[in-house]
Amino acid sequence: AQRVTQPEKLLSVFKGAPVELKCNYSYSGSPELFWYVQYSRQRLQLLLRHISRESIKGFTADLNKGETSFHLKKPFAQEEDSAMYYCALIRGSTLGRLYFGRGTQLTVWP
Amino acid sequence: DAGVIQSPRHEVTEMGQEVTLRCKPISGHDYLFWYRQTMMRGLELLIYFNNNVPIDDSGMPEDRFSAKMPNASFSTLKIQPSEPRDSAVYFCASSFWPAGELFFGEGSRLTVL
Repeated sequence: AQRVTQPEKLLSVFKGAPVELKCNYSYSGSPELFWYVQYSRQRLQLLLRHISRESIKGFTADLNKGETSFHLKKPFAQEEDSAMYYCALIRGSTLGRLYFGRGTQLTVWP
Repeated sequence: DAGVIQSPRHEVTEMGQEVTLRCKPISGHDYLFWYRQTMMRGLELLIYFNNNVPIDDSGMPEDRFSAKMPNASFSTLKIQPSEPRDSAVYFCASSFWPAGELFFGEGSRLTVL
């Protein structure tokens, strides 16, 4: 069963435009949610996690339990934001098992 | 620290051959994970270790796959015999605790002909 869904494989915006990368999950408990990012020729790395409630590189993500979503947002996209973004989930009952979505390739055009 | 180190970066082999992928986690990390990435299935957890002990290997596809962690600084993922459907990028990652930030290696791209 697909636990993390990222409906868009590809997303393109122009520099300065707002961007939202969608992530929906299926889990009835209290999940821990993450966004990982892979820039070109770099390693997959953590961008942010919902319990931190941080803004990293201008990105924020809010956990909406009612809609079971954890969308990643940035008000003004930059060219250097172009990358592959993965939403991921840990269920409380299976610590260590991180479920990844299929990823969204974001391209920010100049 | 150089981060998680994986070798080889690329491997091309023929069906039926044995493949061994290697990983050195970040020093001090007690958890080590092996992931496989394919177009069809995305990133899947194969197995993870805590203090060198396998904790969850339910993601290992079949008996052809085996993983070991003989000490805190080294792990291997072995496929014997390899098949074309094993072609994928295999990632190793490590972390301080099971729900913590994962630090990934650069991956080993395996092609089985």
